[in-house]
Amino acid sequence: EAQVTQNPRYLITVTGKKLTVTCSQNMNHEYMSWYRQDPGLGLRQIYYSMNVEVTDKGDVPEGYKVSRKEKRNFPLILESPSPNQTSLYFCASSFRESGVHEQYFGPGTRLTVT
Amino acid sequence: LAKTTQPISMDSYEGQEVNITCSHNNIATNDYITWYQQFPSQGPRFIIQGYKTKVTNEVASLFIPADRKSSTLSLPRVSLSDTAVYYCLVGRASGGSYIPTFGRGTSLIVHP
Repeated sequence: EAQVTQNPRYLITVTGKKLTVTCSQNMNHEYMSWYRQDPGLGLRQIYYSMNVEVTDKGDVPEGYKVSRKEKRNFPLILESPSPNQTSLYFCASSFRESGVHEQYFGPGTRLTVT
Repeated sequence: LAKTTQPISMDSYEGQEVNITCSHNNIATNDYITWYQQFPSQGPRFIIQGYKTKVTNEVASLFIPADRKSSTLSLPRVSLSDTAVYYCLVGRASGGSYIPTFGRGTSLIVHP
């Protein structure tokens, strides 16, 4: 089954404790991205990747890191999480030529930073 | 990317046709129009995409007038399960820019 998976689905952590949210897709998509969704602000893109070893900032990259060592994986790293990073996070992927216009989204990761 | 404007919310009843209009006055020549659907606590799901005139698939139709400054997503005979937020996106992958603007979307509530 074609899908985007994220782990963990729920995470409660404390300020400053490094964490990684994994994202994996099995559709051989070149393009992958991370979004956060907050009430009243909609979906905002954090980082995206056009292909292996190619990443770039989205609208709200501060406080986040990503890597793209393999085509299928695109982990999101919070080196020192803060309470303002409490949010619902989505990973997405698509074929390069589709860009943002036919993305497949993961189930989401609800992160709480205390 | 072109800015889009949609109604914040809409209400409808089961069995009715729902039309959600998106305004995108500064759409560029090569821009496409894409609609996504999002249920609570789930990721958005691609519904339909078009460039001009009319596009229809198994779940929706997309009407785009000749000037392309707006588009209308049409959902035929909605059911309770169509209650969701609908997002209109306009843009293209040009110069390596793949940063979408989802905005707040339109919250559709379907009543029994």
